[in-house]
Amino acid sequence: QKEVEQNSGPLSVPEGAIASLNCTYSDRGSQSFFWYRQYSGKSPELIMFIYSNGDKEDGRFTAQLNKASQYVSLLIRDSQPSDSATYLCAVTPGAGSYQLTFGKGTKLSVIP
Amino acid sequence: EAQVTQNPRYLITVTGKKLTVTCSQNMNHEYMSWYRQDPGLGLRQIYYSMNVEVTDKGDVPEGYKVSRKEKRNFPLILESPSPNQTSLYFCASSLPTGAPPYEQYFGPGTRLTVT
Repeated sequence: QKEVEQNSGPLSVPEGAIASLNCTYSDRGSQSFFWYRQYSGKSPELIMFIYSNGDKEDGRFTAQLNKASQYVSLLIRDSQPSDSATYLCAVTPGAGSYQLTFGKGTKLSVIP
Repeated sequence: EAQVTQNPRYLITVTGKKLTVTCSQNMNHEYMSWYRQDPGLGLRQIYYSMNVEVTDKGDVPEGYKVSRKEKRNFPLILESPSPNQTSLYFCASSLPTGAPPYEQYFGPGTRLTVT
């Protein structure tokens, strides 16, 4: 059973701080890694993807991947109240797969 | 506008009354999928389809059926709904070819209540 684990939170950070969200996965052959943001009652929205070890930056967001440790993280710099949402980590298994296994999500609250 | 649409958005029904939730995408995506989302359980895949007439079970297929007769449509069928199928349902589709990351585009969701 492929598993994706996240701390459920809630994670509370003050406005302007760095929010750090973490995710571990059990399938060592996993290829692609995604971070989705989901506001309450809304559909998931892709904010970052990464498939190579290291860091990938996009604006205030940085995704970090360490395949040896089976660990992926999302850093949100200069956190804003509008970043308050649930963040879902998702993983695809081996090459050529269209499957997505989701973690249960981490709820982030940015305090003004 | 590229999008995934679902209908209905909200549905209240009774146990045993067959229902269909429609999903349609206008992006010519080959891959389509259904998920359900429940508090504390996250998003779980019900069924997916790699292309027309090709479907397969996800993690929680019991009590559901799907069909893929056209590329753009992927309806979810509940032949005899039960209260434990009360959930928020999402349809998603993916880019048709090539390398990762296989980004999935989600529909707006259908909130189903079975009494």
